[in-house]
Amino acid sequence: GAGVSQSPSNKVTEKGKDVELRCDPISGHTALYWYRQSLGQGLEFLIYFQGNSAPDKSGLPSDRFSAERTGGSVSTLTIQRTQQEDSAVYLCASSRLTSGATYEQYFGPGTRLTVT
Amino acid sequence: GNSVTQMEGPVTLSEEAFLTINCTYTATGYPSLFWYVQYPGEGLQLLLKATKADDKGSNKGFEATYRKETTSFHLGKGSVQVSDSAVYFCALSDQGSGTYKYIFGTGTRLKVLA
Repeated sequence: GAGVSQSPSNKVTEKGKDVELRCDPISGHTALYWYRQSLGQGLEFLIYFQGNSAPDKSGLPSDRFSAERTGGSVSTLTIQRTQQEDSAVYLCASSRLTSGATYEQYFGPGTRLTVT
Repeated sequence: GNSVTQMEGPVTLSEEAFLTINCTYTATGYPSLFWYVQYPGEGLQLLLKATKADDKGSNKGFEATYRKETTSFHLGKGSVQVSDSAVYFCALSDQGSGTYKYIFGTGTRLKVLA
């Protein structure tokens, strides 16, 4: 079946502009995660969605970052007023279920964001 | 808080050499443990996992055993190939947070020479 897809694969933007990154999880996966992979910080958790529950935003680095998940499926990560330190690869992952069991996460190919 | 420590890379080996990549963790409770691999230009792929103490995960000739007493999940392979060249990430699933988010190690780059 189809895996996790992300778009765009690459995004170059000027400092101060807003960007939107999209994630399509695997069909039927109720849990969705965003991570950031950068040279200085490694792989770090950003935000988690599970079904209709309130998202866990504890990993978002600043209030310039926000995310939503519509209809329990597609998710969009928005970065406002981008800064050069936002340059990184943004990874989306989905998982079948988390309550009471641990299911592995499936990762998308990532969006490479470059802020100039 | 929970954390994962991996050995520093890069690790350079000749083909058919024995590989060990060390991974230790700090966690409350009993997390599940994972190894992911990232081949050049590709995304993260699950290599293997273990969900409880003494479980052994294995795949593609790689193995790792969940050792609760030493809080470790070292990755090994008896005979590496050039195609194993990649970055390997150890991760734990944070059960305590209720999100099961991953906490990753810093990654270990493996280069296998023919």
